[in-house]
Parts: sequence; C-alpha cells; structure tokens
Amino acid sequence: DAGVIQSPRHEVTEMGQEVTLRCKPISGHDYLFWYRQTMMRGLELLIYFNNNVPIDDSGMPEDRFSAKMPNASFSTLKIQPSEPRDSAVYFCASRADRVNGYTFGSGTRLTVV
Amino acid sequence: AQSVTQLDSQVPVFEEAPVELRCNYSSSVSVYLFWYVQYPNQGLQLLLKYLSGSTLVESINGFEAEFNKSQTSFHLRKPSVHISDTAEYFCAVNGGNTGFQKLVFGTGTRLLVSP
Repeated sequence: DAGVIQSPRHEVTEMGQEVTLRCKPISGHDYLFWYRQTMMRGLELLIYFNNNVPIDDSGMPEDRFSAKMPNASFSTLKIQPSEPRDSAVYFCASRADRVNGYTFGSGTRLTVV
Repeated sequence: AQSVTQLDSQVPVFEEAPVELRCNYSSSVSVYLFWYVQYPNQGLQLLLKYLSGSTLVESINGFEAEFNKSQTSFHLRKPSVHISDTAEYFCAVNGGNTGFQKLVFGTGTRLLVSP
C-alpha cells in the first residue's frame, strides 16, 4: 500500500489566488481527515468525512475554505482567495477503524506571499 | 469535551539518557490512547497505542508507555535515547465523551537529543 498520498508537496502562491490541495486516502479507509499545522496553533482538525460525507466542518476557519470528497479515493481542500495567514502545512489522514488510529500523508507546505 | 494535555513543549536531553514525555487526558470513561511521532518535514507516524489489556505498551524502537487510569495519564518513556529520536511527539485519545470517530491531539512535545 502506498499510504496516504498528498499533492503537491509544496505550494507557493500569491495572495488572492485559489489553492487546491489533494489527497488520496488508503483504499478501504472510510474516514478522511484534513488537518492544518502551524507553529502558533499546532495541529488543528479542519474537517472530516465518513464514507465521503462531511461529518464535522466546525474547524474550517472561514468561508474561504471548502473541502470535498467526490469519491472514496479522492478529496480536495480549496482556499479561495488565499491569504498570507493561511501559510501552514496541511495534512490529510485516513482511518479504517477506531483501533488503528490514523495514517497521515506527508503533508502540503503552503506558502502564501 | 475530551482534551489532552502535554505538559512540556520541549524536552532537551543528552544522548543515552532516559526520557519521559508526559501526557494526561480528561475523560473518565473508556478511551483509546496513542502516541505519534513527527520527524522534521514529515507527517505523523503512529508510535504505539493502548486499547485494552496490559497497561504497558511498547514500540519497536524502544519506547514504552504506561496507561494509568487513576491518574488519567499515558506517559511515554525511553531508557536510553538516540540522536535519531529527535522529533516532535504527540499524544492523542479517542473515545470518552466525544466518541470514537476522531482523535483529539495534544499540543506536542519536542524532544531534542544532543551528543
């Protein structure tokens, strides 16, 4: 298994531009989570899905952020328009069941200038 | 809501010395407990977990953690650290009063091992 795959690994964009982050979970995992990690706030849960349905999006910072999961093998996190304060590492994680914890992707380092 | 407290944001230690990273959680009902490790510029990796049974759990690289229900703690220990153990360590819990759907993470402890 290739694990959780995120793309791109690094993204540098200008303020105001749209950014799309991508995630492919492990096959058979029915939970998918998006996290943001910064020095100031640590690891924050943004949103999670179960069987492609968003369950809890209370961590999404504002309307500029949106996430979709059109099928079991793909999810996107979109920021439009992006702002410098969105600069962070964004992680995707998936889970099969409660006893095995999460498997994290390698993250996308986003820099908004 | 469920919460996890990691009391130390950073722990400096010399190589081959013992180390303990502290973790306390808030729930008084059944929980599953996890330790994750994050090496620089990488994602989080599962280090070890407690689900039930023996309160002492071990990882393949010499770390161990002990579940203490009365103190609601799950401290991580290693008797002799290596330079390569330098990383950030996160304690996490699911269950309790927030259910088992998502993990609640602590704020992390940065372990700095120097020669």
